[in-house]
Amino acid sequence: DTAVSQTPKYLVTQMGNDKSIKCEQNLGHDTMYWYKQDSKKFLKIMFSYNNKELIINETVPNRFSPKSPDKAHLNLHINSLELGDSAVYFCASSQGTSSGNEQFFGPGTRLTVL
Amino acid sequence: AQSVSQHNHHVILSEAASLELGCNYSYGGTVNLFWYVQYPGQHLQLLLKYFSGDPLVKGIKGFEAEFIKSKFSFNLRKPSVQWSDTAEYFCAGSNTGKLIFGQGTTLQVKP
Repeated sequence: DTAVSQTPKYLVTQMGNDKSIKCEQNLGHDTMYWYKQDSKKFLKIMFSYNNKELIINETVPNRFSPKSPDKAHLNLHINSLELGDSAVYFCASSQGTSSGNEQFFGPGTRLTVL
Repeated sequence: AQSVSQHNHHVILSEAASLELGCNYSYGGTVNLFWYVQYPGQHLQLLLKYFSGDPLVKGIKGFEAEFIKSKFSFNLRKPSVQWSDTAEYFCAGSNTGKLIFGQGTTLQVKP
């Protein structure tokens, strides 16, 4: 059973397009996250949702819009894709927002913008 | 500003060698510290974590880490590495629920 799943696994698209990445967790967690891993493998948080409410919003361009239809899902929509958006995007989840809670990560979505 | 830094970017070891990966953090107040591992083509998995108490933390697969408050360090160790330990290792800290990661260390173990 996959705990945190993401679709698609790979996404290749042209500059200027709009795309979405989906994330689902079956752990019963109430908090979900999006992280971006750049070409140097540096991981940085983008957003976090707790019970469908946005609680962390780092300095991410507003072309990125997360949406959480329910506690088990957190999707990421990206408008007007740019070359610099090429990265691996990881979804994660945890139970609660406490700093000590383990975050469980999905397999990642490798986005390539041409 | 809160930050986590890893000094070793690329480490190459032979099997059975001992491992120590450095991690330093900069946080005001209490911090929770984590080591995550990313095997080739896989997602991040938690190796171990420190909240409080015993500064020597044991994790999975024979890994351990020591929290040294005076040095702001949380180094990862393993007495004898195996080829299967080849992976990316990430140190991370959190005091707000937001994980801040170090730059990562690529460990290559030669058989």
